[in-house]
Amino acid sequence: DGGITQSPKYLFRKEGQNVTLSCEQNLNHDAMYWYRQDPGQGLRLIYYSQIVNDFQKGDIAEGYSVSREKKESFPLTVTSAQKNPTAFYLCASMRRNSNTGELFFGEGSRLTVL
Amino acid sequence: QKEVEQNSGPLSVPEGAIASLNCTYSDRGSQSFFWYRQYSGKSPELIMFIYSNGDKEDGRFTAQLNKASQYVSLLIRDSQPSDSATYLCAVKEMNRDDKIIFGKGTRLHILP
Repeated sequence: DGGITQSPKYLFRKEGQNVTLSCEQNLNHDAMYWYRQDPGQGLRLIYYSQIVNDFQKGDIAEGYSVSREKKESFPLTVTSAQKNPTAFYLCASMRRNSNTGELFFGEGSRLTVL
Repeated sequence: QKEVEQNSGPLSVPEGAIASLNCTYSDRGSQSFFWYRQYSGKSPELIMFIYSNGDKEDGRFTAQLNKASQYVSLLIRDSQPSDSATYLCAVKEMNRDDKIIFGKGTRLHILP
């Protein structure tokens, strides 16, 4: 089945450690996104990528890094510079020039920093 | 910074009544508008999109767009307990960039 796979689903890390969240899609979508969601809050855009080897900062990129070496993959690294990294992280993809502009989401990764 | 604003709620509506959810956006160049539903602990799912002024109906859902007022709304008719969720408004900007930003969401509670 086509879709987006995020891993791990739950992750615990000590303060000061970098952590990388995986996002893989087999929908052949060009655009991919990372959002962060805090309790009772909406989605805030961290980074997005429209094509391979290119990505743009979203509204809250500080303390995060990404890469887009393959169309299918868009991993997110939460660095020690991110001051409050505990959150629910959602990866999404979209077919470019889509009439609907629909984002397809993974199931999310819940990161807890101890 | 371009913004999408929603009332966080909770909005409580009796079963069978009409639920009305509202969203305003700051960027006049915004092109497309979306309503996503998110159940607790789950990922958002698209329920409606609209890009022309006026109304768009799909089953019990109607999206309304007024670009002059920078306002988009979602009406849910004959509300059901299963409609209880957080509804997220999202906006896509009008340029080559595929940036999509979300509001904070409105929590809707349908009272049985």
